[in-house]
Formats: sequence, structure tokens, C-alpha cells
Amino acid sequence: QAVLTQPSSLSASPGASASLTCTLRSDINVGAYGISWYRHKPGSPPQFLLRYKSDSDRQQGSGVPSRFSGSKDASANAGNLVISGLRTEDEAEYYCVIWQNSGWVFGGGTKLTIL
Amino acid sequence: EVQLLESGGGLVQPGGSLRLSCAASGITFSNYAMSWVRQAPGKGLEWVSSISGSGTSTYYAGSVKGRCTISRDNSKNTLFLEVNSLRAEDTALYYCAKAVSQVAAAGHLDDWGQGTLVTVSS
Repeated sequence: QAVLTQPSSLSASPGASASLTCTLRSDINVGAYGISWYRHKPGSPPQFLLRYKSDSDRQQGSGVPSRFSGSKDASANAGNLVISGLRTEDEAEYYCVIWQNSGWVFGGGTKLTIL
Repeated sequence: EVQLLESGGGLVQPGGSLRLSCAASGITFSNYAMSWVRQAPGKGLEWVSSISGSGTSTYYAGSVKGRCTISRDNSKNTLFLEVNSLRAEDTALYYCAKAVSQVAAAGHLDDWGQGTLVTVSS
């Protein structure tokens, strides 16, 4: 089973909100990790969006608007990236990342389509 | 402004070697751990290797361990990745990325280069 599991795709409408989920393998406790989120558009390098460990331990990427926010769902052992007020330029691949076992672990990515 | 500029990619035959470089500017290079992350065609991002700010701690993904060596020259603000015994599955765009402290495990990767393309083919 993969360390981080993300849905492969998600669709949403302009102006709506989207919640992207990153589920940790059952033997890894989400509470122990800071989860970073990156946006990756074709032809550009990945962009750091935010890191969320708790409400008191989180960082927003430089220039990243507050409509991007992070959270955790302990009951689901998952982290979430919530994007509100979706824009067409938010269409991209989104990756969650943790540092685990002496290395960065990337989720498989979620392709967000704005319809 | 932080700038990371990768170079050294190209076409190489299976079994061959390459040395990738990442020149950094706009930062005190030794203050930051650095990483290499790659993306194979049609695939997601995959972490390859990280190195602490001092260069004393190094980390490798299982897929490249024993075939890759990460290093840095803090006097020249340059990060390196030497890859040996190249395989078709090493074909990818290789990005260098900067951490937020000297410790590789801390925080996140906040700045990325544009990448250098490695193609392994006969």
C-alpha cells in the first residue's frame, strides 16, 4: 500500500470549493506529520502552496492566497487541501508530501479540472 | 530573489552516467538543505535525493540508492547529482529544490528550478 494516497482526479466549477484529500497509510499517524502541498502545471516547476501540521504549526507559501488552506481529518488519517473560490488557473496537478523514513514521500497527485 | 538553474541533462545510453548540476543564487547556499526531485514522462513527482546544508548528511530513494551520489560545493553555490548505471526508467525531468533550513527533513521545499531533462535510450 502506498504511503500517501490521493484520488487521481477531481472536477469542480469556477467559484466553487474543492477539497483534495491525502490519505496516509494506516500504520502512519497523520498527527505526527506536517503535510506539504504543491501545485504543478505543465511546463512549470512545482509550486509550494502550504504546509499544515496543526493550527499552530503551518506555513503558507510566499504569495499564495488565503483561499488555499490546509487541514487534517484524524478520523480518516488524512490531510486536506481546500481551495475556495476556484479559478480556471487552478487547474493543475496537486501533490501532498511528507518526510518519512529519511526521505520525502510524494503522493501520486490529483489532477484538478475546472469545468 | 532565489534562482536555481539545473544543467547537465541530455541523451545517454543505458548503463551510462551523468552528472547534473544546480547553480543557486540569491541565497546563502550553505544555510539550506537541497533535494533532487524527478518526473518521468506521464508520471508524478518522485523524490530522488537530499543533502543537508553542510553536506554531511545525505539521503536517497530506494530506486536510486547505490547508483546516485548527491553532493554540494558551498563555495560555488552548486548542488550535484551523479547518476550511474542509467536505466530507461531514469528518463525524467530532474528538478533541484531548496529546503527551508539546513536540515533536509525540516519543513518543505520552497523553491524549485526549471529542471533538466535526462533521456536514457540507445
